[in-house]
Amino acid sequence: DAKTTQPTSMDCAEGRAANLPCNHSTISGNEYVYWYRQIHSQGPQYIIHGLKNNETNEMASLIITEDRKSSTLILPHATLRDTAVYYCIVRVARWLKGQFYFGTGTSLTVIP
Amino acid sequence: DSGVTQTPKHLITATGQRVTLRCSPRSGDLSVYWYQQSLDQGLQFLIHYYNGEERAKGNILERFSAQQFPDLHSELNLSSLELGDSALYFCASSRGIRDNTGELFFGEGSRLTVL
Repeated sequence: DAKTTQPTSMDCAEGRAANLPCNHSTISGNEYVYWYRQIHSQGPQYIIHGLKNNETNEMASLIITEDRKSSTLILPHATLRDTAVYYCIVRVARWLKGQFYFGTGTSLTVIP
Repeated sequence: DSGVTQTPKHLITATGQRVTLRCSPRSGDLSVYWYQQSLDQGLQFLIHYYNGEERAKGNILERFSAQQFPDLHSELNLSSLELGDSALYFCASSRGIRDNTGELFFGEGSRLTVL
């Protein structure tokens, strides 16, 4: 599975969009990009995933560059409850293949 | 509530002892994963079971072992415990079927403290 690089920490003002970048320059054609978050030692929570098209759900949007070497998770209107560690993971999505390897992620602090 | 249940939530024991952590996956999920998270560290993948069979091993110590039972619950056994084994241990489950892109559902973790 390809390696990802994320900033260690970021701040965002409450109500503003939080844009969390992830670099995955060695991503393969059959690898998906996943985002999870972990709020203060709770179990990680799935946010979104995508292959090459941009994706949006009720929690966030995922923008993947055309060359797929980087992506950005967007939380459109950050709230204090979005303060968490955000993990970007690249994983082969085949049956029983490809484990989820969590790095150290980005610690996002939403400021009132 | 993810539907994944882990017990116990907290456990305090002494060095050299052995403990068993239990995980009940979501109803219908065939895959169970175990992760370890030490203080200020990321989640380390330990092991993956699918329908009772071991599918992948990560950074799991030889002192640790796991199994998945016919009813799909899983146990993680930690023996000859050391101070450095103090950590949060997470269990996650997923459908594990052929066309599943593998979203994981995590439990709330078992916090192990070794004194």
